[in-house]
Amino acid sequence: GIQVEQSPPDLILQEGANSTLRCNFSDSVNNLQWFHQNPWGQLINLFYIPSGTKQNGRLSATTVATERYSLLYISSSQTTDSGVYFCAVGARVTGANSKLTFGKGITLSVRP
Amino acid sequence: GAVVSQHPSRVICKSGTSVKIECRSLDFQATTMFWYRQFPKKSLMLMATSNEGSKATYEQGVEKDKFLINHASLTLSTLTVTSAHPEDSSFYICSARPGEVGLAGYYEQYFGPGTRLTVT
Repeated sequence: GIQVEQSPPDLILQEGANSTLRCNFSDSVNNLQWFHQNPWGQLINLFYIPSGTKQNGRLSATTVATERYSLLYISSSQTTDSGVYFCAVGARVTGANSKLTFGKGITLSVRP
Repeated sequence: GAVVSQHPSRVICKSGTSVKIECRSLDFQATTMFWYRQFPKKSLMLMATSNEGSKATYEQGVEKDKFLINHASLTLSTLTVTSAHPEDSSFYICSARPGEVGLAGYYEQYFGPGTRLTVT
């Protein structure tokens, strides 16, 4: 099946700093989503971005499907950005069911 | 929009009993729902894909007789953990896909808040 690798596994930032989180995947996709898992376990949809670039406030994401990677940018980080960030992909071969394969996650800690 | 709920949020049961977890799409119809399991400090693992009106498709290694899935309507899927044992203790999360053919975001999934199961 499709493989998903996220890097770095852990990231510690000072409040106000910028960061880039990376997601590499091993096959063509029809779905790529970035999530933030809060301390209570809720997965919050950040971006649905199988290709292209999107921005939402301090967050932006870019997926280069031909090179099989996606980047999540966090600017002017805040302590509330802390948590685990997951990249999940749906392989194109799975078609309409488009089940997601998750990376191992990136644990972000933003210090005041 | 695209809100998914789960009930209960937390459950503690004794070994050997069965537990039912409900997953509802509150403001959309979902022909496909998914069930995931997450262990502490680990990633999410897909257990099964549930399509309304048909049998669920289970991932390799998931016991379909232990984890019974019923997708009875376009807004409700249930996961029943039968004869639960301590090793079934985990965080169970469902997701639903509201997409319509031809629309952007067709494959996007929305996740419920999860159910924490503890088997004693």
